[in-house]
Amino acid sequence: QQPVQSPQAVILREGEDAVINCSSSKALYSVHWYRQKHGEAPVFLMILLKGGEQKGHDKISASFNEKKQQSSLYLTASQLSYSGTYFCGTERYPGANNLFFGTGTRLTVIP
Amino acid sequence: DAGVIQSPRHEVTEMGQEVTLRCKPISGHNSLFWYRQTMMRGLELLIYFNNNVPIDDSGMPEDRFSAKMPNASFSTLKIQPSEPRDSAVYFCASSPKIAGVGETQYFGPGTRLLVL
Repeated sequence: QQPVQSPQAVILREGEDAVINCSSSKALYSVHWYRQKHGEAPVFLMILLKGGEQKGHDKISASFNEKKQQSSLYLTASQLSYSGTYFCGTERYPGANNLFFGTGTRLTVIP
Repeated sequence: DAGVIQSPRHEVTEMGQEVTLRCKPISGHNSLFWYRQTMMRGLELLIYFNNNVPIDDSGMPEDRFSAKMPNASFSTLKIQPSEPRDSAVYFCASSPKIAGVGETQYFGPGTRLLVL
C-alpha cells in the first residue's frame, strides 16, 4: 500500500521549478505532504482531500487527481531552504487515521 | 505548545539488551503513531493508538517489539531483545482526531537507535 514517488532525487539551481509526483494503486481519500531536513523530523506541508481544491502556500502548491490516484507537489522559484526529502502520505478513507508514506524524493537546491 | 516529546534522543546498546523508547504526544491529541525510518525501507508505520487503544499493530516487525499507551500523555515502544537490524530512527507522531477530515500528524524529533 506504499505509494510510489518520483523522481527519487532532483538537483535544482535557485529559482528553478520542480514537480514531485506521488502515485497509489489504491483509491485515496487524502494525500499529505511532508518535508524532512537531514537529521530532523518530518514537517507537515499540506493536506489535499478528495474533492478538494488545489492547495498552496508561498511558492509550494499541490494537486490531487482522484481518478488517477495521484498527487503532485509543485515547487516554484526554488529557494535554498527548500532542500530536503519530500514525502507523501496517503490515507485511503476518512478516519483511516493512518498514513502510508512514499519512499521520499530528495531535493537539493544549489546556489 | 512543546510539541511531541521523545526520549532518549540517541541510544546505543548492545545486541540482546532491552530498549525502551518514550513519547509524550501533544496535549489534547487523541491519536499516537510510532514509525521507524531507515534508508532501505523509508518511513514505516509500526503501530498507532486512538484514545490510548492500539488500533493497528500490523507494522510491528515481530514479537520482540511491543508498544503501550497507559494514558493519554505517554507511550512506550519496547524492543526486547534488540538486534543490529533494529538500528533506525524511531519517530513518534500525534494528531487530533477529527472524524471525517484528513488529519495532520505532528512528528517528534525522533530517537536514533544503534544496536551493536
